[in-house]
Amino acid sequence: DIQMTQSPSSLSASVGDRVTITCRASHAISNSLAWYAQRPGKAPKLLLFGASRLDSGVPTRFSGSTSGTDYTLIINSLQPEDIATYYCQQSHGSPPTFGQGTKVEI
Amino acid sequence: QAHLVQSGGEVKKPGASVKVSCKASDYTFSTYGVTWVRQAPGQGLEWMGMISVYNGNTSYAQKFQGRVTMTTDTSTSTVYMELTSLRFDDTAVYFCARVNLLNVFDCWGQGTLVTVSS
Repeated sequence: DIQMTQSPSSLSASVGDRVTITCRASHAISNSLAWYAQRPGKAPKLLLFGASRLDSGVPTRFSGSTSGTDYTLIINSLQPEDIATYYCQQSHGSPPTFGQGTKVEI
Repeated sequence: QAHLVQSGGEVKKPGASVKVSCKASDYTFSTYGVTWVRQAPGQGLEWMGMISVYNGNTSYAQKFQGRVTMTTDTSTSTVYMELTSLRFDDTAVYFCARVNLLNVFDCWGQGTLVTVSS
């Protein structure tokens, strides 16, 4: 199975800050990487897919980048509604696997 | 906009089975797959398996092989996930999600809490 190592496990930032979350894949996954946000008590919601493609309706302060097997989610200008746990997920190999999650607090 | 609506919470005894439903609406049901992901209390997301609505083919995580069955009813646009031989550590919220052609989970149900308790 492809392992996804996500960091940090949690972070605290202020409104307006730039936040970065990274996932490292144990094997090459060819940008087959999605990011989800899960607000407390809610279902996950797709943010980005293909490593950097924004899903419909997702604010443009969210973006994604790639460097080798490292995938980064960037939140520019953190907003109060961005409080959530963020997960990466690879869909290159089977089974699909998730990172451990990053809890973002303000 | 697509919607997935799941059945309500369940309380089961160890050794019992549970069957959770996931009803789809507002999209062409047969065009997408459906996957199931669970989340134990305070834990992360765990993929259980998926089913192709188009042909009924299934793929299950090795951990659940032999205990999980996913089926579809195209007449009602509903997908079912049955988990047997329940254990205490099967207590979790179970989510269904639509799988698009890029194998991305682009629409999620609201989740169903399954509690295994004696």
